[in-house]
Amino acid sequence: KAGVTQTPRYLIKTRGQQVTLSCSPISGHRSVSWYQQTPGQGLQFLFEYFSETQRNKGNFPGRFSGRQFSNSRSEMNVSTLELGDSALYLCASSLGQGYTDTQYFGPGTRLTVL
Amino acid sequence: ELKVEQNPLFLSMQEGKNYTIYCNYSTTSDRLYWYRQDPGKSLESLFVLLSNGAVKQEGRLMASLDTKARLSTLHITAAVHDLSATYFCAVPLNTGTASKLTFGTGTRLQVTL
Repeated sequence: KAGVTQTPRYLIKTRGQQVTLSCSPISGHRSVSWYQQTPGQGLQFLFEYFSETQRNKGNFPGRFSGRQFSNSRSEMNVSTLELGDSALYLCASSLGQGYTDTQYFGPGTRLTVL
Repeated sequence: ELKVEQNPLFLSMQEGKNYTIYCNYSTTSDRLYWYRQDPGKSLESLFVLLSNGAVKQEGRLMASLDTKARLSTLHITAAVHDLSATYFCAVPLNTGTASKLTFGTGTRLQVTL
């Protein structure tokens, strides 16, 4: 079974620009979550989509948004980039329900904001 | 607010030695996850602990969960260099699913020859 895939793997942007990251979940998984990882703040939850609806949201500003398509693929958008947005963005997929539900992570997109 | 604390933050150990990483969390949860991260890589799922007293073992790693004490441990037996990585525990906000994980700070394990 193919794992979670993320594109692109690396991105370099300048302040003020916007960026879109993409995530394809494991086949059959309906939940996609996004996390930001930085050396200072560690791993932080951004949001979760389940069956095209945002089900949970973390404490990030409105510049961070996402969506999920009918095939469960998800995109995350960051507008008006700031230097502090430089991070590894990880996408995770799971069934989204069930006793043994587990999140599986993609390889990540490393975003550098100059 | 759910808080997850790990200790130690950094662990340097010799090959062949045993050690335990601790993970404490602040609110009730029915499950806990352990992940491994190699430098520059993503997170690899190690264990899912789903009930009080749960114990899982894989190779030289053994994880346990005490939901009453809100404590999980990851025990390393006879460490080998390949175990060098950062280990995270994570607790979901909602019961019944893996959603909205709160991660610990991570324990960077370095196994020396």
